[in-house]
Amino acid sequence: GAVVSQHPSWVICKSGTSVKIECRSLDFQATTMFWYRQFPKQSLMLMATSNEGSKATYEQGVEKDKFLINHASLTLSTLTVTSAHPEDSSFYICSARVAGAGTGELFFGEGSRLTVL
Amino acid sequence: GDSVTQMEGPVTLSEEAFLTINCTYTATGYPSLFWYVQYPGEGLQLLLKATKADDKGSNKGFEATYRKETTSFHLEKGSVQVSDSAVYFCALLSSGGYNKLIFGAGTRLAVHP
Repeated sequence: GAVVSQHPSWVICKSGTSVKIECRSLDFQATTMFWYRQFPKQSLMLMATSNEGSKATYEQGVEKDKFLINHASLTLSTLTVTSAHPEDSSFYICSARVAGAGTGELFFGEGSRLTVL
Repeated sequence: GDSVTQMEGPVTLSEEAFLTINCTYTATGYPSLFWYVQYPGEGLQLLLKATKADDKGSNKGFEATYRKETTSFHLEKGSVQVSDSAVYFCALLSSGGYNKLIFGAGTRLAVHP
């Protein structure tokens, strides 16, 4: 199947700094990518939907100025956690939909674990 | 809004035991339903799906039937293996735009030899 890669797989940063997480579709073009957040022993919560070349659509309760999403090409979306704080520590997962694919053809990255000290 | 409810884990079974993981949903319209699996240290993978009532999705010995009357999509396997140990997520495709997947909380399965 299609491969989605995230980088970094884990990152530790100091409170107040910004962290960028990349999501790449390695062997397909993705017009739409999704960013999820997963708390320990909990489900994945959709944060935002990004479409190539346009602004991301954020879910209710997600701060768009805090979680900046850029989907500048058909193979790359980035999530930047700005001025990170300990409560932002979480597992962030991206997924991508193959351009033109049918319903539900989503492929997931391995996730990026963020720890804010 | 749309939601998915899964049985709480962890589920601990011996090898070759029968597995059922319950999943029920609430949704407007007629969503598509999915089971995803997350093996240790890996990303989520689609296990199986069903797009309409009475459809049965199956893969790797797992199967689930879309039951509209009970709004359920229970995952079953007749004989589990140690390699099936993972976290299983039930999900539905929201009837809203952008094909948003809504996930259940996940159920951890541990299979012992």
